[in-house]
Amino acid sequence: DGGITQSPKYLFRKEGQNVTLSCEQNLNHDAMYWYRQDPGQGLRLIYYSQIVNDFQKGDIAEGYSVSREKKESFPLTVTSAQKNPTAFYLCASSIGVWEQFFGPGTRLTVL
Amino acid sequence: GIQVEQSPPDLILQEGANSTLRCNFSDSVNNLQWFHQNPWGQLINLFYIPSGTKQNGRLSATTVATERYSLLYISSSQTTDSGVYFCAVDDGGSNYKLTFGKGTLLTVNP
Repeated sequence: DGGITQSPKYLFRKEGQNVTLSCEQNLNHDAMYWYRQDPGQGLRLIYYSQIVNDFQKGDIAEGYSVSREKKESFPLTVTSAQKNPTAFYLCASSIGVWEQFFGPGTRLTVL
Repeated sequence: GIQVEQSPPDLILQEGANSTLRCNFSDSVNNLQWFHQNPWGQLINLFYIPSGTKQNGRLSATTVATERYSLLYISSSQTTDSGVYFCAVDDGGSNYKLTFGKGTLLTVNP
C-alpha cells in the first residue's frame, strides 16, 4: 500500500535528551514536510524539503533539525534546545506545490 | 506571510442538519486544501480546491479565488462527521509550504 508512515506513535523524552522521529513515504513524492500541532491549534511548519539533500526552515525551526539523504525518508530530531517539545508531530509529502498528504503522527511528551 | 481565518470556531449540530464552514485568506494562492482531523489526530484529505467547486458524497467545497475565500458544505451531517476541519493554503509562491487556519470544531449530536 502507498502511504506515509511515522514512528513511533508515542514517544516519551526526558529533559535534556535528543529524540528522532521517523517519517517514511512510498508515494514517490519529491517534497516532504514536518508540522507541529499544539492542543486546540492549527499546524505550524517546522522544516520542509523540496528535493533530496536540501531542506529549508519553516516558521518554528528553532530547536529542531532534519536530514534528507533519501527521497523516501525525512527524519526530524527534537533537540534539547527545544524549550517546549511536548506536542503532536505530523509529517507530510507532496508532488511539488500540489496536494499534501499526511502521516498518522507522533505524540511526543517530555517527562 | 499569508493569513488564514476560519469561521465559526465551534459548531454544534443535530444529526441530519446541514452546515457551512468558511475559510478566508489574505493573498492569492496556488494550493488550498480542506482536511478533517479525526479523534486519533489523523488528517484526512477532503478537497484540494484552489478554485472552483467539487463534490464528494455529502461534502462539497467551493473556492472563489478572486474574492479569497473557500466554503465547505456538509449536508445531512452524521455523528462521524465530528472533529476539527482545517483549511490550509500556500503563499502563491514556489516554496510549497502550507499555512493552516485554526480550524472549526464540529460536534454532531445524535
